[in-house]
Amino acid sequence: KAGVTQTPRYLIKTRGQQVTLSCSPISGHRSVSWYQQTPGQGLQFLFEYFSETQRNKGNFPGRFSGRQFSNSRSEMNVSTLELGDSALYLCASSELAGAVTDTQYFGPGTRLTVL
Amino acid sequence: DQQVKQNSPSLSVQEGRISILNCDYTNSMFDYFLWYKKYPAEGPTFLISISSIKDKNEDGRFTVFLNKSAKHLSLHIVPSQPGDSAVYFCAASARYGGSQGNLIFGKGTKLSVKP
Repeated sequence: KAGVTQTPRYLIKTRGQQVTLSCSPISGHRSVSWYQQTPGQGLQFLFEYFSETQRNKGNFPGRFSGRQFSNSRSEMNVSTLELGDSALYLCASSELAGAVTDTQYFGPGTRLTVL
Repeated sequence: DQQVKQNSPSLSVQEGRISILNCDYTNSMFDYFLWYKKYPAEGPTFLISISSIKDKNEDGRFTVFLNKSAKHLSLHIVPSQPGDSAVYFCAASARYGGSQGNLIFGKGTKLSVKP
């Protein structure tokens, strides 16, 4: 099976712009989670989707949003980009209901740089 | 307030010796703990987990120890190999069987195993 794929891998944007990142989970996986990784904060949870429904949301401003499609593919959007949004955005999928005991498989991430 | 702390940003170990990575947590409600390994340009990979009903879990060269009274867990790698050189994240959850969104990650420890 192919692993979790994320597109694009690298992105450069300027402040005020918006960006959409895409994640394709492993075939058959229905749960998708998004994380932001920065050197200062480590990995921080953004949201979790299961069967097109957002099940959980982290402590991020409303500029960060996401959605999941019927084929389990997911997108996240960041509007009005700020310099502090520069980070590695990781997507992870799991096979079952996304319970914490289910193994998460991470994609390679999208490196977003905001200038 | 950081609930999961990895106080050593880096660790250097000789090949064949033991690597001990440490993680402290503050929330006594955490009942499930995981370790992930991350190579550059790749997403984190699940390594090993432990629930609070155990104090030790082994998987090959990797052993995780949990000391609930001290709110401390550690990952032992024996023997260490150069391929183990990576960033290691510990993560904790307060809801066994809960959703992935309840995972709180530490900031990571970069392990370097020298030949």
